[in-house]
Formats: sequence, C-alpha cells, structure tokens
Amino acid sequence: GQQLNQSPQSMFIQEGEDVSMNCTSSSIFNTWLWYKQDPGEGPVLLIALYKAGELTSNGRLTAQFGITRKDSFLNISASIPSDVGIYFCAGPKNYGQNFVFGPGTRLSVLP
Amino acid sequence: EPEVTQTPSHQVTQMGQEVILRCVPISNHLYFYWYRQILGQKVEFLVSFYNNEISEKSEIFDDQFSVERPDGSNFTLKIRSTKLEDSAMYFCASRDSLSSYNEQFFGPGTRLTVL
Repeated sequence: GQQLNQSPQSMFIQEGEDVSMNCTSSSIFNTWLWYKQDPGEGPVLLIALYKAGELTSNGRLTAQFGITRKDSFLNISASIPSDVGIYFCAGPKNYGQNFVFGPGTRLSVLP
Repeated sequence: EPEVTQTPSHQVTQMGQEVILRCVPISNHLYFYWYRQILGQKVEFLVSFYNNEISEKSEIFDDQFSVERPDGSNFTLKIRSTKLEDSAMYFCASRDSLSSYNEQFFGPGTRLTVL
C-alpha cells in the first residue's frame, strides 16, 4: 500500500542554520502536505502542494513537490527555537480522504 | 481565529469500558475526521464523515468504533469496549469544502489511557 518515508528521523541543528528534510514514497501522490506537531498538540498544516514541480513558500519555509510525484522536501531557513517539533509529510491515500502520514522528522534547535 | 476543540484533553479508563471523545469542528466546516497517534508513532487515519454518514474508514476502525454528529456542532468518537492497545492520542480534524480539499485543521487531541 501507499507508505511515506521521511529522512532524517531526527536532527539537531544550531539556531540560525538552515534545515532540509524530505519525504519519499514508492507510489505516486497527487498532493503533498507538510504538518508540524508541537509536544501535546495536534498537527498544524504548514504547506500544501498540489502540482508536480510546484515550489511553495510560507515565511521561512519552502517546500517542493517532486517531478516524479513520489517525493517532496521541506526547507527551513534561519532556524529559531520555536521551530522545534516533529515535521510530518502527508498525502491522500488512493485519491481519497484517507490521509497517510509519514513517520516524522524530529527537529531540535540548539541555542 | 476559528479552531477545532476537543474534550476531554485526557481520559483514563479501565479496559472494557466505553469512552466517548468529543470534538467541536470549525463551525462552517462540512467534512470531519478522526485520527489517532500511538505514543511515538505516526498519525493514522481512522474515519471521515460527511453529510451525516461515514465516507471512508480505515482497517483500524472496526466494530468497536462509531462516530456520530448528535447535533449541529459536536462530532463524537465512541469506543465501545476499550482495549489496552487503544491507548493513544485521538485527533479530530475538519475542513470546509472540496475547494480546500486537503486543508484539514486538527484539534489539540484527547489523550486516552486504557488501564
């Protein structure tokens, strides 16, 4: 079935550094979504991507929908302490309403 | 800013008991969802609900689970006879229409602990 993989699983970076993480799948997705989850909170949508090749920004965040439709990456520039959290990619399974989530990338920002 | 709310924030129950988790979706939203997240794992889809009926459900959503929209504002998830493995965070989500197909807004979650 459709599964999403994310790398890295976790990362520790210094405040001010740029971050890059990605999400891959063995099957095609027609939409990619990036969510952030803070401890004890629900996921918050950061960026939604709808077209292959699309590059979208939201403040310091930039995400791209891979040309093959099997991958996406998320970049965070000039990281700050509040960027700490778990970043999930997600997409609709089999074009339905059923979302499948990746396992997440845990980001820690060191002062 | 409108948001999805969930109650209770934490529910502790004995194995075999029934629990009802409550959600108030964003008021003009039409599509409602339940997801769960076992501690340290990824978010998993349970069920979607539209026009007073289930539109899609996962293999996790077996006969022990049911959903209901008892009035114009609440959306509930009932687990009939809880098992230890039902312990997880349960998230409600909603979206307004097909024009925002993938913009599901999540609530803060209910942490369910089954003893």
